[in-house]
Amino acid sequence: QSALTQPASVSGPPGQSITISCTGTSRDVGIYNLVSWYQQHPAGAPKLIIFEDNRRPSGISSRFSGSKFGNTASLTISGLQPEDEADYYCCSYAGSSTYVFGSGTKVTVL
Amino acid sequence: EVKLVESGGTLVHSGRSLRVSCVASGFTFKDYTMFWVRQRPGEGLEWVSSVSWNGDNTVYVDSVKGRFTASRDNARNTLYLQMNNLRLDDTALYYCVKARGSGGASQHTFDDWGLGTLLTVSS
Repeated sequence: QSALTQPASVSGPPGQSITISCTGTSRDVGIYNLVSWYQQHPAGAPKLIIFEDNRRPSGISSRFSGSKFGNTASLTISGLQPEDEADYYCCSYAGSSTYVFGSGTKVTVL
Repeated sequence: EVKLVESGGTLVHSGRSLRVSCVASGFTFKDYTMFWVRQRPGEGLEWVSSVSWNGDNTVYVDSVKGRFTASRDNARNTLYLQMNNLRLDDTALYYCVKARGSGGASQHTFDDWGLGTLLTVSS
């Protein structure tokens, strides 16, 4: 149950696209199409923004997109906005009703 | 509107016990898998426990196995987490989380979150 690996921080100016990687193993990210992504603003609760690798809940901006290749999932934020500044966490199902989160990535809008 | 309200978090000494609760509203509670997720101060998210719709299947992260027990009362729309033999590293904000759906792949996504209840374990 080791945490998935994410970069500690990613930054970019408004309008740019950024991508956050999430690397797991063949026992979690690589075998299940069940990676989800969460956005957490300071002092706020996490919010679901991507589920089942690349699906967006209703109400979530199309600027957020998810993808996966092998044991690595990615979250892309297009057209970076000031309100996108937050912490982002990936999470994968790991079998037998267990789950593993990523280490978290702080996104800074320059 | 889905609402999850946690309560019961407080300051306790290591080795003691505490039960936190989560009252749910705005959806058919008995139909959904529920979860506990925690976040230590300044750190990331950690899945703690999954509770099946009827409470018959509970699963835990290794670090709490044998110490924590999750349960639910579907008649009261309430999820519980009984925490025994508390340790300093159990200090965290404990979130109650609802699955996105009631079956298939949808039960494996953390959808709605409460605001959390803070447990502080001191020596």
